[in-house]
Amino acid sequence: EPEVTQTPSHQVTQMGQEVILRCVPISNHLYFYWYRQILGQKVEFLVSFYNNEISEKSEIFDDQFSVERPDGSNFTLKIRSTKLEDSAMYFCASSEEGGSLVQYFGPGTRLTVT
Amino acid sequence: AQKVTQAQTEISVVEKEDVTLDCVYETRDTTYYLFWYKQPPSGELVFLIRRNSFDEQNEISGRYSWNFQKSTSSFNFTITASQVVDSAVYFCALSPYGGSQGNLIFGKGTKLSVKP
Repeated sequence: EPEVTQTPSHQVTQMGQEVILRCVPISNHLYFYWYRQILGQKVEFLVSFYNNEISEKSEIFDDQFSVERPDGSNFTLKIRSTKLEDSAMYFCASSEEGGSLVQYFGPGTRLTVT
Repeated sequence: AQKVTQAQTEISVVEKEDVTLDCVYETRDTTYYLFWYKQPPSGELVFLIRRNSFDEQNEISGRYSWNFQKSTSSFNFTITASQVVDSAVYFCALSPYGGSQGNLIFGKGTKLSVKP
């Protein structure tokens, strides 16, 4: 069964460093998303991406964040200068179409900023 | 404003008990979707069900059932004859239809512990 994959599973970085989180969405999906979950809290939407551009972003997704689809399979989230409060689990998701059809989530990348 | 409330933070039951997880949502949209996801201890988010706002039929899938009531803005989830493997955090989520490309608004989750 096709699934969303994410690498790495755990990333430790120092405050101020840049990190890139990688995702491979399900191959025939057209819409891609990033969410984050601070430990013990709810899952929060960051950004959605379609047709090589951002469709929507939340207040959390400020200028420190960027997304890219560098090739036909990968979807990346970059955090330019990490802060302690960026420590969280980051989930990538993809869906076949927009309009609230099912989003399938990857296993997540746990980001720890020290 | 769009919002999902899961008032039960944690529930603990003994195996074979039935358990209902509550979900109340707020939205001004007339068309929207509701979801339940399961997050087992391993951390991934597993899709369980999607419901659109025009379909108020209850749904049953094995030991799982869902009760959607627009009149009370609720979308509750019942596990019958719970098992230890049902232990997880369960999230209810809301998504408006169209325009926003379907970003999900999650509740805070209910942690279910099923003891043998």
